[in-house]
Amino acid sequence: KQEVTQIPAALSVPEGENLVLNCSFTDSAIYNLQWFRQDPGKGLTSLLLIQSSQREQTSGRLNASLDKSSGRSTLYIAASQPGDSATYLCAVPPGNTGKLIFGQGTTLQVKP
Amino acid sequence: GAGVSQSPSNKVTEKGKDVELRCDPISGHTALYWYRQSLGQGLEFLIYFQGNSAPDKSGLPSDRFSAERTGGSVSTLTIQRTQQEDSAVYLCASSLGGTSTYEQYFGPGTRLTVT
Repeated sequence: KQEVTQIPAALSVPEGENLVLNCSFTDSAIYNLQWFRQDPGKGLTSLLLIQSSQREQTSGRLNASLDKSSGRSTLYIAASQPGDSATYLCAVPPGNTGKLIFGQGTTLQVKP
Repeated sequence: GAGVSQSPSNKVTEKGKDVELRCDPISGHTALYWYRQSLGQGLEFLIYFQGNSAPDKSGLPSDRFSAERTGGSVSTLTIQRTQQEDSAVYLCASSLGGTSTYEQYFGPGTRLTVT
């Protein structure tokens, strides 16, 4: 059974720092991995989707990497801003289906 | 274009009552998903619909939970005889297809409180 873990559970950094969020999964036979952002009281916003054949994806200041063999993904945020404060979740599908298994999330606070 | 919408945004109900939660997916999206987010359990998959195929109900926690999707568009999640442990945020998502290839787009959720 696939399990997804995110470390740390919470992170507080000063504005301008580069930071890394971690996601690990127990079954390396994944089709893809998706990173989401959730603001308090809101739904999820998709940030990046990395297919199993890819090693990384970039969008603006965000870069996500995927290492299937070690069961890990990282989300790198460059030059963090207070507006980046949110909960970040990673998720993988159990097989080639659309349903997702989520990690518990990392709550990020960027202080001005 | 319009995103995924859900109604109501908040629902307070008494234990034992039935509730219905509604989801309007993005137009043209054939796949629709329901998830539940609670403090203790995180974000859990409940059920998903893909086109005219039989829904995948493998995440429904009990037979008090059911969902339908009419006309391949709007979906309703029904919880019968609500219990306090049903209190959570119920999120709906849709995607262009039902495989892992497609990104999912989430609605704002319905916060259900059972008193």
